[in-house]
Amino acid sequence: GQQLNQSPQSMFIQEGEDVSMNCTSSSIFNTWLWYKQDPGEGPVLLIALYKAGELTSNGRLTAQFGITRKDSFLNISASIPSDVGIYFCAGQLEGNEKLTFGTGTRLTIIP
Amino acid sequence: SAVISQKPSRDICQRGTSLTIQCQVDSQVTMMFWYRQQPGQSLTLIATANQGSEATYESGFVIDKFPISRPNLTFSTLTVSNMSPEDSSIYLCSVALHNEQFFGPGTRLTVL
Repeated sequence: GQQLNQSPQSMFIQEGEDVSMNCTSSSIFNTWLWYKQDPGEGPVLLIALYKAGELTSNGRLTAQFGITRKDSFLNISASIPSDVGIYFCAGQLEGNEKLTFGTGTRLTIIP
Repeated sequence: SAVISQKPSRDICQRGTSLTIQCQVDSQVTMMFWYRQQPGQSLTLIATANQGSEATYESGFVIDKFPISRPNLTFSTLTVSNMSPEDSSIYLCSVALHNEQFFGPGTRLTVL
């Protein structure tokens, strides 16, 4: 099935650094969601975006819904050890319908 | 948000057998979904399970292989039938609530 292109595939950063990742699609979505998945767990919703151009924050996380509705980015400021994990974007055409997931960005913090 | 539980959390099964995975949510929801996450991969939707109607399967997934039940608004099951090692994956259920989707902890299946 279709997957969204997410980059980078992996990141190795030092604690305290800022992180930026993005997600692109060849087709339009009306909702963008960002999830984090820890080992052995299901994805946990971080931020939901419902409107083109929308910029939303959740603590140290900021996400934007691209104007073209074909992309989104997620920033994490001042990274901490618990930020380690895999981050997935997901696009949705209509509310409460199925999600199309990105390929994932694995974040590792170097001690 | 919704609290979702899955049983079993993990299992090791023999080739040719079947496993039924249960998903329970703490509130009534119309839309439930089943996803597969192969090792090191992203999530792929298997099917959408709505209460009172047959599940809708995505391309590449068929009812004979992945039969789904949705007897009420808080519960669903996914069966992985006639398993082969290629079915080794994490199977996740999710629910749609207030235009957001929440996931269960997943069932890690290993087929020998």
